[in-house]
Amino acid sequence: NAGVTQTPKFQVLKTGQSMTLQCAQDMNHNSMYWYRQDPGMGLRLIYYSASEGTTDKGEVPNGYNVSRLNKREFSLRLESAAPSQTSVYFCASSGQGGQPQHFGDGTRLSIL
Amino acid sequence: GENVEQHPSTLSVQEGDSAVIKCTYSDSASNYFPWYKQELGKGPQLIIDIRSNVGEKKDQRIAVTLNKTAKHFSLHITETQPEDSAVYFCAASGRGNMLTFGGGTRLMVKP
Repeated sequence: NAGVTQTPKFQVLKTGQSMTLQCAQDMNHNSMYWYRQDPGMGLRLIYYSASEGTTDKGEVPNGYNVSRLNKREFSLRLESAAPSQTSVYFCASSGQGGQPQHFGDGTRLSIL
Repeated sequence: GENVEQHPSTLSVQEGDSAVIKCTYSDSASNYFPWYKQELGKGPQLIIDIRSNVGEKKDQRIAVTLNKTAKHFSLHITETQPEDSAVYFCAASGRGNMLTFGGGTRLMVKP
């Protein structure tokens, strides 16, 4: 049972390059989320998708776009990467009715 | 919006001792409070959660308490073991299942 799978695990970009982070879940969850984790700041919500076909901004959406491709997949795109976007990115999913969120193992992104 | 404060940021205990991590939240509408454990290079893993209609919940060596009036909740780990060493995050959720996380506590259990 894979749970939440994120690809790639590591990536180095140059300032201005674009990149799409992929996330897929096999738990038939309706809701999916993208977070970034920076030292000492916990996890901050970038975007979320409450159900297939909907997306909404979280706490720190600037510089990012998302696509809910289908019920399983939720991608995060950086159109023009900036050094401030160097972080660890986590995808999560949850069922309906306040069910717990389950996380992937993250993508470690460095922007030079 | 919701604001979650977590203390302490680091905690060092001897194996076998208890560890307590505390969190406060600001939004009285929050009704779900999970705790996550994050090991190096891994994603956060849910270890226990509590909803606002319950004051305490236990699972073996782990317990969580909730004080809705004071808007704080705590994680208690008894008989700590070296494998409990990790970063622990509290979170609070109200409307729409959105989680707001605390800043994390690095727990070190010394053998």
